[in-house]
Amino acid sequence: GQNIDQPTEMTATEGAIVQINCTYQTSGFNGLFWYQQHAGEAPTFLSYNVLDGLEEKGRFSSFLSRSKGYSYLLLKELQMKDSASYLCACMDSNYQLIWGAGTKLIIKP
Amino acid sequence: GAVVSQHPSWVICKSGTSVKIECRSLDFQATTMFWYRQFPKQSLMLMATSNEGSKATYEQGVEKDKFLINHASLTLSTLTVTSAHPEDSSFYICSATGLAGQFQETQYFGPGTRLLVL
Repeated sequence: GQNIDQPTEMTATEGAIVQINCTYQTSGFNGLFWYQQHAGEAPTFLSYNVLDGLEEKGRFSSFLSRSKGYSYLLLKELQMKDSASYLCACMDSNYQLIWGAGTKLIIKP
Repeated sequence: GAVVSQHPSWVICKSGTSVKIECRSLDFQATTMFWYRQFPKQSLMLMATSNEGSKATYEQGVEKDKFLINHASLTLSTLTVTSAHPEDSSFYICSATGLAGQFQETQYFGPGTRLLVL
């Protein structure tokens, strides 16, 4: 079956760095997405990786290893507004998105 | 770019009434639109996928006669919750993908519609 695993909840300190991991098993692979979802709001797109390696976008970076079925989202210089759920999603061979349950990130001052 | 809007953002209605939610892609042509439902503190649940001009594909367990989806143009899809009941109260979110470039695989989400059925 198809499966996406990510931690349920993480806590970090303002100004620090946090890495949110995601492992996946899908029927085929056409890319991995990270979305941010603040409480009570819809998800917003953060990143898309289809090739191995690190993609950097400001304070956020996303890494992919296709051979390991593994990705992480790295958030630097954490701000209180980064408190949100972070959703990992994989696109399978049929271009269907398989969603993880999300990681709730709590930022403490 | 990649702006998706939804209307209305909030709906409160009586049990038994029908509710229509609109999803529009404002600055790109959306060949495919997706409708999700999310209950409090739960994951996104895909309800259906719709391609412009064709019938929607519903996920297992989603009643197509209850959740009517119309994708009549490349910028508009509608979800109608027919004869809504309190258990249909949820956060309904649409997303869209487009023809090419950055829009082709990435789903861009609307702001969501909160439905409360009394």
